Amino acid sequence: AQSVAQPEDQVNVAEGNPLTVKCTYSVSGNPYLFWYVQYPNRGLQFLLKYITGDNLVKGSYGFEAEFNKSQTSFHLKKPSALVSDSALYFCAVRVRPVSGGYNKLIFGAGTRLAVHP
Amino acid sequence: GAVVSQHPSWVICKSGTSVKIECRSLDFQATTMFWYRQFPKQSLMLMATSNEGSKATYEQGVEKDKFLINHASLTLSTLTVTSAHPEDSSFYICSGRDRSSYEQYFGPGTRLTVT
Repeated sequence: AQSVAQPEDQVNVAEGNPLTVKCTYSVSGNPYLFWYVQYPNRGLQFLLKYITGDNLVKGSYGFEAEFNKSQTSFHLKKPSALVSDSALYFCAVRVRPVSGGYNKLIFGAGTRLAVHP
Repeated sequence: GAVVSQHPSWVICKSGTSVKIECRSLDFQATTMFWYRQFPKQSLMLMATSNEGSKATYEQGVEKDKFLINHASLTLSTLTVTSAHPEDSSFYICSGRDRSSYEQYFGPGTRLTVT
C-alpha cells in the first residue's frame, strides 16, 4: 500500500540548533513528495516539494529537505530553528489510485515541532 | 501565492441540523477540489474529490448521503453535513487544484462543533 510515515510524534529543539523532522514513504513509481506546516486552527501552508532533479530541495522560511531514494526518505531540515517554527508538520506524497481516478495527496500522521527559547 | 477561503471559519450547530461549508478559490480556477477531515492531533483524511460539474468521488467509508459535495463552478465548492451528530464535530479543510499549474492549495479550515 502507498503510505507516508512520520516516526516521531514530537520533536523538541532548542532555538538556534538545527532541526530534522523525519519522513519515509512507500509508493510505486517515482514519488512526488511535499512538506506542509500547520499552525493552530489553520489550514496547511506549503513549504516545499520534490518532483525530480536535485535531491536537496529548498523551500520557504529557510527549510530544506533531502530526497534519498535508497532510504525512501524525505527528511525536513533547518540549520537554525526559531521559536516561531513551532507548529505541526506534515509530509505528503502524491499518488494516483491503483483503481484510477484523480491524483491525491496522502499525508503522514504529522510531527509536532516544539522549539524552546 | 494562490488563496483558498472557507466560510464559515467555525460553526456550532445542534444535533440533527445541516451545515454548509463553502470553499472558494480566490485567484485561480480549481478544476478539482478536495475535502479533508482532521481530528484533534491527527492527520488529514481525504473525504472526497470533486471535479467541476461532476459528481464527487468519495473515499471508502465516507457516507456520500451525509456529506454532500457540490462543485458548481471553477471557484466554488460546498460541503453540506446533513443531520449532523456530535461525532461529526471536526476540522474540515478544503483544497483546490489550480487548472493551470496543477498545484494544490489549502483553505484555512472550518471547525464544526455539533452539540
